Amino acid sequence: DMKVTQMPRYLIKRMGENVLLECGQDMSHETMYWYRQDPGLGLQLIYISYDVDSNSEGDIPKGYRVSRKKREHFSLILDSAKTNQTSVYFCASSFGSSQNTLYFGAGTRLSVL
Amino acid sequence: GDSVTQTEGPVTVSESESLIINCTYSATSIAYPNLFWYVRYPGEGLQLLLKVITAGQKGSSRGFEATYNKETTSFHLQKASVQESDSAVYYCALGRAGNTGKLIFGLGTTLQVQP
Repeated sequence: DMKVTQMPRYLIKRMGENVLLECGQDMSHETMYWYRQDPGLGLQLIYISYDVDSNSEGDIPKGYRVSRKKREHFSLILDSAKTNQTSVYFCASSFGSSQNTLYFGAGTRLSVL
Repeated sequence: GDSVTQTEGPVTVSESESLIINCTYSATSIAYPNLFWYVRYPGEGLQLLLKVITAGQKGSSRGFEATYNKETTSFHLQKASVQESDSAVYYCALGRAGNTGKLIFGLGTTLQVQP
């Protein structure tokens, strides 16, 4: 079953706390992505990972870091979360990186108070 | 820079009516970008609806179709007769230059189909 799973689905944190968003995929895809979506804005690419320990900044990487130690897992970390990081975060994966089909998770809604 | 503009939602239509969701793009970094429509049903992640990589070609899936028009830089999504199950958010996207896998998405258009 081709699936991208995001955990947790909903998360409330206080400003200054650390946040860990997890993403897993069961398709052995090399490439994984983290996007965020805010009202009035399209999906914005935060980071892209081309394989284990091969990560690249997207368009809005400031305030985020990522970790990919296994091909199946890609984590997004917010060190000392800020209120403007309240958003819906989507993880995605694809076979290779040549604009093949992206498979998305259902999203994590993060509120930073 | 590259950008995608699509119909501002929500769009409300009655079941069995026709639908068009407009999408226009600006691609300065690549002459012939790949174009995509993704759809997100309630509670689910985005999924690819259709993809066209050649100008002048038409893509189709689940009764939806879109034609890649380089002259008008458009990639409108159409369906002749919508169903209530088509209610979702539709995203137009373009692939940027280079073999990077990076896509630029439009804001999304919420479609509500009334029974």
